[in-house]
Amino acid sequence: SQQGEEDPQALSIQEGENATMNCSYKTSINNLQWYRQNSGRGLVHLILIRSNEREKHSGRLRVTLDTSKKSSSLLITASRAADTASYFCATEDSSYKLIFGSGTRLLVRP
Amino acid sequence: GAGVSQTPSNKVTEKGKYVELRCDPISGHTALYWYRQSLGQGPEFLIYFQGTGAADDSGLPNDRFFAVRPEGSVSTLKIQRTERGDSAVYLCASSVSGSGPETQYFGPGTRLLVL
Repeated sequence: SQQGEEDPQALSIQEGENATMNCSYKTSINNLQWYRQNSGRGLVHLILIRSNEREKHSGRLRVTLDTSKKSSSLLITASRAADTASYFCATEDSSYKLIFGSGTRLLVRP
Repeated sequence: GAGVSQTPSNKVTEKGKYVELRCDPISGHTALYWYRQSLGQGPEFLIYFQGTGAADDSGLPNDRFFAVRPEGSVSTLKIQRTERGDSAVYLCASSVSGSGPETQYFGPGTRLLVL
């Protein structure tokens, strides 16, 4: 079963614009991770934020976590055509397995 | 070093047949995970190995699914009496220890199609 929902399901932006994706989850977590997937294969880990952290940065990526609202957001700044992919949030509880959301399909138009 | 590899890349089989999907984790990684991803969905957890033993198999959908990791490295996911609903991409991931927050490294997946 899926842990939660990602919003929006699909996003189309112009190159250079920022892209924001949101993720909501249902249960208590140890950490939340964001992954990227191209062409339905090859999940690539982007960033991990622990439950006691509120914000984290990595290059053009900024992730926030609000455990009171059980939500997270991923911001990609100055997007590029190469950022076109599906983005998934995944929560990890004490069992160390990942529970994924349904994903946001991002299209960055050149 | 080499990442997680999975074979075959694609597998087409007929309903009722038996299939085996193989995963080679990153060398030295203790933890290994299997996930299944249907079209348009996020991956769903199937089973997690810590060394040779299955630490959590709560995601296996039914007793037609079984996975082994006899030497604590390569793992095989076995599906008996395949059904059309088993069609999906089967993803394998490994991590260093499986304890504490750490990155799971995913393989490219095996796309299974049951006709």
